[in-house]
Amino acid sequence: SQTIHQWPATLVQPVGSPLSLECTVEGTSNPNLYWYRQAAGRGLQLLFYSVGIGQISSEVPQNLSASRPQDRQFILSSKKLLLSDSGFYLCAWRSPGDGYGYTFGSGTRLTVV
Amino acid sequence: KNQVEQSPQSLIILEGKNCTLQCNYTVSPFSNLRWYKQDTGRGPVSLTIMTFSENTKSNGRYTATLDADTKQSSLHITASQLSDSASYICVVSWNTGFQKLVFGTGTRLLVSP
Repeated sequence: SQTIHQWPATLVQPVGSPLSLECTVEGTSNPNLYWYRQAAGRGLQLLFYSVGIGQISSEVPQNLSASRPQDRQFILSSKKLLLSDSGFYLCAWRSPGDGYGYTFGSGTRLTVV
Repeated sequence: KNQVEQSPQSLIILEGKNCTLQCNYTVSPFSNLRWYKQDTGRGPVSLTIMTFSENTKSNGRYTATLDADTKQSSLHITASQLSDSASYICVVSWNTGFQKLVFGTGTRLLVSP
């Protein structure tokens, strides 16, 4: 069966520090991968998606970047965190062509202080 | 503009009672509508998924309805349990060649003993 792992679960980082959140998927190949952010009281916002290794599409201009160094690995990064980067970050995946199978990771609560 | 609006924003009910959550959307072209349950600090978990041609879909005590003409959906929870306390998120997919999701801000449900 397919599983998705996301870590860390919580993170407190000072302003200006770097960020690296990792997401891995098991039990499938060539998944579509997504990074979402959920700000307090807001709906989930799509940040990045990837349809293959090295293929990254950005939905909104921001202080973050994403990379997909391996088929089932998706990384969210920042060189210098801003206070506004605080939020709940979710990784998700689905099989290409499968319109139904979105599965979310357990999320990372990032607090920038 | 593609939007998903949910009501009420929050709801408190007594254990054992029923409740209905509402979702209105303006997403086009419509692909499918999903209801997710999100426990605090966790990733969303899918409850139901409905396509344009489906009017109702059940998952245990959860029953979702869809009226594609009026662009409205509801999630009915019967015989509520304390474990139903969570945020319920309505998510609509629109297909632009690469299917994307539009998230509602959710209804926060508290089931009280």
